[in-house]
Amino acid sequence: DVKVTQSSRYLVKRTGEKVFLECVQDMDHENMFWYRQDPGLGLRLIYFSYDVKMKEKGDIPEGYSVSREKKERFSLILESASTNQTSMYLCASGNQPQHFGDGTRLSIL
Amino acid sequence: GEDVEQSLFLSVREGDSSVINCTYTDSSSTYLYWYKQEPGAGLQLLTYIFSNMDMKQDQRLTVLLNKKDKHLSLRIADTQTGDSAIYFCAESLGNEKLTFGTGTRLTIIP
Repeated sequence: DVKVTQSSRYLVKRTGEKVFLECVQDMDHENMFWYRQDPGLGLRLIYFSYDVKMKEKGDIPEGYSVSREKKERFSLILESASTNQTSMYLCASGNQPQHFGDGTRLSIL
Repeated sequence: GEDVEQSLFLSVREGDSSVINCTYTDSSSTYLYWYKQEPGAGLQLLTYIFSNMDMKQDQRLTVLLNKKDKHLSLRIADTQTGDSAIYFCAESLGNEKLTFGTGTRLTIIP
Protein backbone atom coordinates (compact mmCIF):
# COMPACT_ATOMS: atom_id res chain seq x y z
CA ASP A 1 0.00 0.00 0.00
CA VAL A 2 1.12 3.51 -0.79
CA LYS A 3 1.88 5.59 2.29
CA VAL A 4 1.88 9.37 2.15
CA THR A 5 2.72 10.91 5.51
CA GLN A 6 2.20 14.53 6.47
CA SER A 7 4.22 15.65 9.45
CA SER A 8 1.41 17.33 11.40
CA ARG A 9 -2.36 16.81 11.59
CA TYR A 10 -2.98 20.17 13.27
CA LEU A 11 -0.84 23.28 13.35
CA VAL A 12 -1.41 26.75 14.80
CA LYS A 13 0.89 29.62 13.79
CA ARG A 14 0.91 33.39 14.00
CA THR A 15 0.63 35.95 11.21
CA GLY A 16 4.03 36.70 9.69
CA GLU A 17 5.66 33.43 10.75
CA LYS A 18 7.46 31.20 8.24
CA VAL A 19 5.67 27.86 8.18
CA PHE A 20 6.91 24.51 6.88
CA LEU A 21 4.61 21.64 5.98
CA GLU A 22 6.34 18.34 5.29
CA CYS A 23 5.23 15.37 3.22
CA VAL A 24 6.95 12.02 2.75
CA GLN A 25 6.01 9.13 0.43
CA ASP A 26 7.38 5.61 0.38
CA MET A 27 6.64 4.50 -3.18
CA ASP A 28 9.47 6.15 -5.12
CA HIS A 29 6.94 8.31 -6.98
CA GLU A 30 8.31 11.02 -9.20
CA ASN A 31 5.23 13.24 -8.93
CA MET A 32 4.20 14.96 -5.71
CA PHE A 33 1.54 17.62 -5.14
CA TRP A 34 0.34 20.18 -2.61
CA TYR A 35 -3.34 21.18 -2.50
CA ARG A 36 -5.40 23.31 -0.22
CA GLN A 37 -8.99 22.44 0.56
CA ASP A 38 -11.61 25.04 1.47
CA PRO A 39 -15.37 24.51 1.95
CA GLY A 40 -17.31 24.91 -1.27
CA LEU A 41 -14.12 25.23 -3.35
CA GLY A 42 -12.93 21.65 -3.46
CA LEU A 43 -9.19 21.05 -3.84
CA ARG A 44 -6.98 23.61 -5.51
CA LEU A 45 -3.46 22.84 -6.64
CA ILE A 46 -0.75 25.03 -5.12
CA TYR A 47 2.44 23.47 -6.52
CA PHE A 48 3.60 20.16 -7.86
CA SER A 49 6.94 18.51 -8.51
CA TYR A 50 7.76 15.89 -11.13
CA ASP A 51 11.30 15.18 -9.99
CA VAL A 52 13.93 16.15 -7.46
CA LYS A 53 14.59 19.89 -7.51
CA MET A 54 11.86 20.35 -10.15
CA LYS A 55 8.69 22.28 -9.40
CA GLU A 56 5.74 23.74 -11.26
CA LYS A 57 3.19 26.32 -10.15
CA GLY A 58 -0.35 25.15 -9.77
CA ASP A 59 -3.47 27.28 -9.79
CA ILE A 60 -2.87 29.26 -6.57
CA PRO A 61 0.90 29.53 -5.90
CA GLU A 62 0.89 33.07 -4.50
CA GLY A 63 2.25 33.26 -0.96
CA TYR A 64 3.75 29.75 -1.12
CA SER A 65 6.99 28.11 -2.17
CA VAL A 66 8.11 24.47 -2.24
CA SER A 67 11.24 22.40 -1.87
CA ARG A 68 12.06 18.94 -3.25
CA GLU A 69 15.63 18.04 -2.25
CA LYS A 70 14.97 14.29 -2.03
CA LYS A 71 12.60 12.19 -4.06
CA GLU A 72 10.56 11.03 -1.09
CA ARG A 73 10.05 14.45 0.51
CA PHE A 74 8.12 17.48 -0.69
CA SER A 75 7.87 20.55 1.54
CA LEU A 76 5.41 23.42 1.33
CA ILE A 77 6.59 26.76 2.72
CA LEU A 78 4.49 29.73 3.71
CA GLU A 79 7.04 32.53 3.59
CA SER A 80 5.04 34.94 5.77
CA ALA A 81 1.81 33.36 6.97
CA SER A 82 -1.41 35.31 6.66
CA THR A 83 -4.89 34.62 8.04
CA ASN A 84 -6.26 33.84 4.57
CA GLN A 85 -3.91 30.85 4.48
CA THR A 86 -5.89 29.15 7.24
CA SER A 87 -6.99 25.96 5.51
CA MET A 88 -6.65 22.21 5.18
CA TYR A 89 -3.49 21.29 3.26
CA LEU A 90 -3.29 17.98 1.46
CA CYS A 91 -0.22 16.33 0.00
CA ALA A 92 -0.45 13.70 -2.75
CA SER A 93 1.99 11.55 -4.67
CA GLY A 94 1.84 9.39 -7.76
CA ASN A 95 0.24 9.75 -11.15
CA GLN A 96 -2.90 8.03 -12.41
CA PRO A 97 -3.92 7.80 -9.60
CA GLN A 98 -2.70 10.21 -6.96
CA HIS A 99 -2.55 9.01 -3.36
CA PHE A 100 -3.21 11.40 -0.51
CA GLY A 101 -1.93 11.97 3.00
CA ASP A 102 -4.26 12.62 5.94
CA GLY A 103 -3.96 16.39 5.66
CA THR A 104 -2.71 19.19 7.89
CA ARG A 105 -5.28 21.58 9.30
CA LEU A 106 -3.40 24.87 9.59
CA SER A 107 -4.72 27.84 11.54
CA ILE A 108 -3.05 31.23 11.24
CA LEU A 109 -3.90 33.59 14.11
CA GLY B 1 -10.60 25.51 -19.36
CA GLU B 2 -11.34 22.56 -17.16
CA ASP B 3 -14.32 22.71 -14.83
CA VAL B 4 -15.82 19.93 -12.73
CA GLU B 5 -19.17 20.42 -11.01
CA GLN B 6 -20.99 18.51 -8.29
CA SER B 7 -23.96 19.12 -6.04
CA LEU B 8 -22.83 20.09 -2.55
CA PHE B 9 -25.21 17.89 -0.53
CA LEU B 10 -27.07 14.57 -0.78
CA SER B 11 -29.17 12.82 1.87
CA VAL B 12 -30.12 9.14 1.54
CA ARG B 13 -31.89 6.68 3.79
CA GLU B 14 -29.86 3.78 5.13
CA GLY B 15 -30.25 0.76 2.86
CA ASP B 16 -31.21 2.81 -0.22
CA SER B 17 -28.90 3.48 -3.16
CA SER B 18 -26.96 6.74 -3.34
CA VAL B 19 -26.22 8.34 -6.68
CA ILE B 20 -23.65 11.11 -6.75
CA ASN B 21 -23.38 13.05 -10.00
CA CYS B 22 -20.57 14.98 -11.61
CA THR B 23 -20.24 16.95 -14.83
CA TYR B 24 -17.03 17.98 -16.50
CA THR B 25 -16.24 20.20 -19.43
CA ASP B 26 -13.09 18.86 -21.06
CA SER B 27 -13.82 16.11 -23.59
CA SER B 28 -10.15 15.07 -23.69
CA SER B 29 -10.25 13.63 -20.15
CA THR B 30 -8.37 10.34 -19.96
CA TYR B 31 -9.20 9.13 -16.46
CA LEU B 32 -12.02 10.10 -14.13
CA TYR B 33 -11.77 9.41 -10.42
CA TRP B 34 -13.92 9.16 -7.33
CA TYR B 35 -12.34 9.91 -3.97
CA LYS B 36 -13.91 9.64 -0.50
CA GLN B 37 -13.03 11.91 2.40
CA GLU B 38 -14.14 10.98 5.91
CA PRO B 39 -14.22 13.66 8.63
CA GLY B 40 -10.76 14.93 9.53
CA ALA B 41 -9.02 12.66 7.04
CA GLY B 42 -7.35 12.89 3.67
CA LEU B 43 -8.76 11.63 0.38
CA GLN B 44 -9.09 7.90 -0.20
CA LEU B 45 -9.21 6.65 -3.78
CA LEU B 46 -12.47 4.74 -4.26
CA THR B 47 -12.47 3.88 -7.92
CA TYR B 48 -11.65 5.27 -11.33
CA ILE B 49 -12.70 4.76 -14.92
CA PHE B 50 -10.79 5.12 -18.13
CA SER B 51 -12.44 7.39 -20.67
CA ASN B 52 -13.04 4.62 -23.20
CA MET B 53 -15.25 2.73 -20.74
CA ASP B 54 -18.96 3.27 -20.08
CA MET B 55 -19.30 1.46 -16.80
CA LYS B 56 -17.23 -0.05 -14.03
CA GLN B 57 -18.51 -2.07 -11.10
CA ASP B 58 -16.65 -2.87 -7.90
CA GLN B 59 -18.71 -4.56 -5.17
CA ARG B 60 -21.28 -1.95 -3.99
CA LEU B 61 -19.89 0.76 -6.27
CA THR B 62 -20.95 1.36 -9.86
CA VAL B 63 -19.44 4.12 -11.98
CA LEU B 64 -21.25 5.26 -15.11
CA LEU B 65 -19.66 7.50 -17.72
CA ASN B 66 -21.61 9.30 -20.43
CA LYS B 67 -18.98 10.89 -22.61
CA LYS B 68 -21.49 12.57 -24.91
CA ASP B 69 -23.02 14.49 -22.01
CA LYS B 70 -19.72 14.70 -20.06
CA HIS B 71 -21.48 13.18 -17.08
CA LEU B 72 -20.04 10.85 -14.47
CA SER B 73 -21.96 9.18 -11.67
CA LEU B 74 -21.14 7.04 -8.65
CA ARG B 75 -23.82 4.70 -7.36
CA ILE B 76 -23.45 3.18 -3.90
CA ALA B 77 -25.79 0.24 -3.35
CA ASP B 78 -27.25 -0.54 0.09
CA THR B 79 -25.90 2.68 1.62
CA GLN B 80 -24.57 2.28 5.17
CA THR B 81 -23.72 4.79 7.93
CA GLY B 82 -20.04 4.25 7.17
CA ASP B 83 -20.63 5.72 3.72
CA SER B 84 -21.18 9.17 5.27
CA ALA B 85 -18.40 11.31 3.81
CA ILE B 86 -17.56 13.88 1.18
CA TYR B 87 -17.17 12.42 -2.30
CA PHE B 88 -14.98 14.15 -4.88
CA CYS B 89 -14.88 13.49 -8.57
CA ALA B 90 -11.76 14.46 -10.46
CA GLU B 91 -10.67 14.43 -14.07
CA SER B 92 -7.24 13.91 -15.56
CA LEU B 93 -6.24 15.12 -18.99
CA GLY B 94 -3.34 12.70 -19.21
CA ASN B 95 -0.82 15.07 -17.72
CA GLU B 96 0.17 15.08 -14.10
CA LYS B 97 -2.65 17.30 -12.84
CA LEU B 98 -6.13 16.52 -11.59
CA THR B 99 -9.06 18.92 -11.57
CA PHE B 100 -11.42 18.31 -8.66
CA GLY B 101 -15.08 19.07 -8.16
CA THR B 102 -16.27 20.87 -5.04
CA GLY B 103 -17.25 17.59 -3.35
CA THR B 104 -20.68 16.18 -2.42
CA ARG B 105 -21.41 15.67 1.28
CA LEU B 106 -23.39 12.43 1.64
CA THR B 107 -25.55 12.20 4.76
CA ILE B 108 -27.20 8.93 5.74
CA ILE B 109 -30.63 9.10 7.38
CA PRO B 110 -31.26 6.20 9.81
